[in-house]
Amino acid sequence: DTAVSQTPKYLVTQMGNDKSIKCEQNLGHDTMYWYKQDSKKFLKIMFSYNNKELIINETVPNRFSPKSPDKAHLNLHINSLELGDSAVYFCASSRLSTGELFFGEGSRLTVL
Amino acid sequence: QQQVKQSPQSLIVQKGGISIINCAYENTAFDYFPWYQQFPGKGPALLIAIRPDVSEKKEGRFTISFNKSAKQFSLHIMDSQPGDSATYFCAATTSGTYKYIFGTGTRLKVLA
Repeated sequence: DTAVSQTPKYLVTQMGNDKSIKCEQNLGHDTMYWYKQDSKKFLKIMFSYNNKELIINETVPNRFSPKSPDKAHLNLHINSLELGDSAVYFCASSRLSTGELFFGEGSRLTVL
Repeated sequence: QQQVKQSPQSLIVQKGGISIINCAYENTAFDYFPWYQQFPGKGPALLIAIRPDVSEKKEGRFTISFNKSAKQFSLHIMDSQPGDSATYFCAATTSGTYKYIFGTGTRLKVLA
């Protein structure tokens, strides 16, 4: 009964490849997010979707494309992976009224 | 204006001691200030949060002190335990904006 689940937990891939990370929440929240945490532990928002509509799109390269098929799912596809994309990517969800963010366990991406 | 400055970067405390982490912000539109706790290999989890209409909030051994005029807030962990060893993030957001600004994190180590 995991609240925010993301898969896979680990990805190791070569530069230039394309990869996807999937996220699902069973909390009934209306807003979902992707955050990137680098090696220094800095947490930066990348995207946010509210009711399947993109509402935040930070200065992220367009090689990153989020997709929200429904309110409970937010996937992240990354094209032409670069070394600098290596990080832990966290999916999160929230209900606007409460403000609390619920995070998944993260997906560690390593680009070789 | 959008930054949240967090200090110290790392902190070592003896078991039973008090851990204090400080955050400062500039944007007076922020109206929700959560603290998140992150253990290695896990996603951040909400620890405690405060809104600016109160100056202090206590939950068990964890207390947030909030100084609206100074635009500062801090987390106090009383009777610190080795199990509290984690990275702590302060954050700030404005209700309805969906955008959380995170501090840079504090790695706390509590010595047994």
